Amino acid sequence: EPEVTQTPSHQVTQMGQEVILRCVPISNHLYFYWYRQILGQKVEFLVSFYNNEISEKSEIFDDQFSVERPDGSNFTLKIRSTKLEDSAMYFCASRATSTNGGELFFGEGSRLTVL
Amino acid sequence: DQQVKQNSPSLSVQEGRISILNCDYTNSMFDYFLWYKKYPAEGPTFLISISSIKDKNEDGRFTVFLNKSAKHLSLHIVPSQPGDSAVYFCAASATANTGFQKLVFGTGTRLLVSP
Repeated sequence: EPEVTQTPSHQVTQMGQEVILRCVPISNHLYFYWYRQILGQKVEFLVSFYNNEISEKSEIFDDQFSVERPDGSNFTLKIRSTKLEDSAMYFCASRATSTNGGELFFGEGSRLTVL
Repeated sequence: DQQVKQNSPSLSVQEGRISILNCDYTNSMFDYFLWYKKYPAEGPTFLISISSIKDKNEDGRFTVFLNKSAKHLSLHIVPSQPGDSAVYFCAASATANTGFQKLVFGTGTRLLVSP
């Protein structure tokens, strides 16, 4: 069964450092998303991406965050200068279609720990 | 602003009995609702969905009921199995205008099915 893969599974970084989380969405999917879940809290939408541009972003997704699809297969989330409160599980997701019924497939997540 | 609420953080059920997980929402623009299941260290996995034009959708042991007037939906699992033990997230999206369907998640309900 096709799946969304994410690397690294766990990253520990110092506050202020840059972090790049990588995702390989399912190959025929067109819509890409990043969500995050702070420990014990709900899964929160960060950003959606389609046709090589951001289609929507949340308040969380400020100037410190960026996304890129550099080579047609990878979909990356970059945090330029990490803060303690960025510690969370980050989930990449992809979907074949934007319409209802287009199931959102999630990766297993990348746990980010900022010290 | 918690638009999707799951007021029960946990639920314990015996194997073979019915599990009922509840979810309330506040945004009347939501028109598509989903349930995701999440095991530890894994991403959310899609279970079942329902459009606002329906009040019930069934898939095997899983049935989702939607009461639009009460802004309430529930997931019924019958019969419950130990393998169903996981965290269940309710999610909703408003498809009008955007088309990109970001999901708004509830905080999750941890279901424990004991043998």
